[in-house]
Amino acid sequence: SQTIHQWPATLVQPVGSPLSLECTVEGTSNPNLYWYRQAAGRGLQLLFYSVGIGQISSEVPQNLSASRPQDRQFILSSKKLLLSDSGFYLCAWGLGAQPQHFGDGTRLSIL
Amino acid sequence: GDSVTQMEGPVTLSEEAFLTINCTYTATGYPSLFWYVQYPGEGLQLLLKATKADDKGSNKGFEATYRKETTSFHLEKGSVQVSDSAVYFCALSPRSGGSNYKLTFGKGTLLTVNP
Repeated sequence: SQTIHQWPATLVQPVGSPLSLECTVEGTSNPNLYWYRQAAGRGLQLLFYSVGIGQISSEVPQNLSASRPQDRQFILSSKKLLLSDSGFYLCAWGLGAQPQHFGDGTRLSIL
Repeated sequence: GDSVTQMEGPVTLSEEAFLTINCTYTATGYPSLFWYVQYPGEGLQLLLKATKADDKGSNKGFEATYRKETTSFHLEKGSVQVSDSAVYFCALSPRSGGSNYKLTFGKGTLLTVNP
């Protein structure tokens, strides 16, 4: 069966520091991968999606970036975090155009 | 822009009660509609979907019908169980071009079913 792993579960970072969140999927090949963010009091917002290695589409302009170095690995990064980057980040995978399963999420707090 | 509005929770029901969670949407064209569920301690997962008007998505005893005339996709179940306790999210995806990868979610509705 397919599983999705996302880490860390919780992260506290100072403003201006870099960020790297990692997501891996097991049990499937060539999945579509997604990064979502849920800010307080708001719904899930799509940040990036990827249909293959090295292919990244950005939905929202921001100081975050994503990379897919391997088929089942999806990384969310930032060179310098802003206070507004605080939120709950979710990785997801799917075989169609929409995600089927999400990871457990990372709670990111910027101080 | 696209948006999804779903009833605010929490919703608390007794076992075997009838469930309705309302969801309405605003979108251009004919989006695809989805319900996702997040059980306690688990990640979000797709529950059911409908891709065109009058389609009915169903799974695990849950149903939702795509109503274009009322722009709604209400989730229903005839007899809920304690194991249905979860947070339910309504979502839509545009149909056209590359945007069909984008999901717009509602804020979620917490359902608690008591024995």
